[in-house]
Amino acid sequence: DQQVKQNSPSLSVQEGRISILNCDYTNSMFDYFLWYKKYPAEGPTFLISISSIKDKNEDGRFTVFLNKSAKHLSLHIVPSQPGDSAVYFCAANREGGTSYGKLTFGQGTILTVHP
Amino acid sequence: DTEVTQTPKHLVMGMTNKKSLKCEQHMGHRAMYWYKQKAKKPPELMFVYSYEKLSINESVPSRFSPECPNSSLLNLHLHALQPEDSALYLCASSRPGLNSPLHFGNGTRLTVT
Repeated sequence: DQQVKQNSPSLSVQEGRISILNCDYTNSMFDYFLWYKKYPAEGPTFLISISSIKDKNEDGRFTVFLNKSAKHLSLHIVPSQPGDSAVYFCAANREGGTSYGKLTFGQGTILTVHP
Repeated sequence: DTEVTQTPKHLVMGMTNKKSLKCEQHMGHRAMYWYKQKAKKPPELMFVYSYEKLSINESVPSRFSPECPNSSLLNLHLHALQPEDSALYLCASSRPGLNSPLHFGNGTRLTVT
């Protein structure tokens, strides 16, 4: 039972253009969502997060949008740079209770930004 | 540079060996985690420590034994592992409380022969 899904295994974008990575979830109890970037041989690096009380959060070139009714979130990277090429993981959590700290990750999307 | 440091970076061990993975953070975080990641799969939670006490064990086999000696250190003791336990073991930390992102180390690549 995959509660967090990233349906696009890969995405290829030209430098300077927008990258849009998508994520869907099925568990309506999730209320905190995160995006991580992972380079080979490194651990996941936290990028940006959003609480379920918001529908948008922005940090520099990165913006995360949350559509709770559709159980969908997306990460926008503008403008995309070759250094953004990595695997991007969407993750979700149910804050509080016994699920504290238990992130459920999607399968990841490989982003390639071409110069 | 990651603020969560894991040692060793690589470890090869036989099925009868005993070894330990170590993790250290100096961000003042009071929650620490062990995740396991198999090739081409997302990370999966193993253990959560909150204020140095084990709060979540995701039904991990007893051949994996976590330890949190103090608020900065987290160990994972390994004994009698199986080849299928070969994976990337990731340590993470966070502030306790709501909406606190986890910060991961670069992991230990474990191979069990």
